[in-house]
Amino acid sequence: KAGVTQTPRYLIKTRGQQVTLSCSPISGHRSVSWYQQTPGQGLQFLFEYFSETQRNKGNFPGRFSGRQFSNSRSEMNVSTLELGDSALYLCASSLSGNSNQPQHFGDGTRLSIL
Amino acid sequence: AQSVTQLGSHVSVSEGALVLLRCNYSSSVPPYLFWYVQYPNQGLQLLLKYTSAATLVKGINGFEAEFKKSETSFHLTKPSAHMSDAAEYFCAVSDRSTGTASKLTFGTGTRLQVTL
Repeated sequence: KAGVTQTPRYLIKTRGQQVTLSCSPISGHRSVSWYQQTPGQGLQFLFEYFSETQRNKGNFPGRFSGRQFSNSRSEMNVSTLELGDSALYLCASSLSGNSNQPQHFGDGTRLSIL
Repeated sequence: AQSVTQLGSHVSVSEGALVLLRCNYSSSVPPYLFWYVQYPNQGLQLLLKYTSAATLVKGINGFEAEFKKSETSFHLTKPSAHMSDAAEYFCAVSDRSTGTASKLTFGTGTRLQVTL
């Protein structure tokens, strides 16, 4: 069974640009969550999608947005990039997003802002 | 609000020695608890989970953890460290009371070094 797939693995952008990251969950998983990992702030929850609806959102500015498609694939978008957005962005999937279900993570997209 | 504390940002053990990584949670209702491992340039891999069945949980790669409600702890142990265990380990909690909200709150991580 294929795991969570994130594309691209690496991205370099400049300040002010926007970026879209993609995540394909494990087959059959309907919940997709996104996390940001930085050396200073650690792992922080961005948002969670289930059945194309955002169910939960972390404490990030509106420049961070996401969506989920009918096949459960998800994308996140960051607009007007800032230097502080440099991070590893991790996607995780679970069957239905119940809080007792483990989340399975992809290898992440490393975003560097110049 | 839930939180999780991992004592010790760096732990160094000799190969063959006991591994003990500490995790304490803060929550009015005991949460669901997870341990993840992260190798360089990779995502997080689930080691084990506690979801209110047995309090001693066995995971992959010889790791186990014991849930102690009285101590609000969920420490990770392995009897004998191997060089391949060198990685960063994260303890995480999810809110039992929300039921369907899938949000993990992570500790700051513990980097495990294994020496010869």
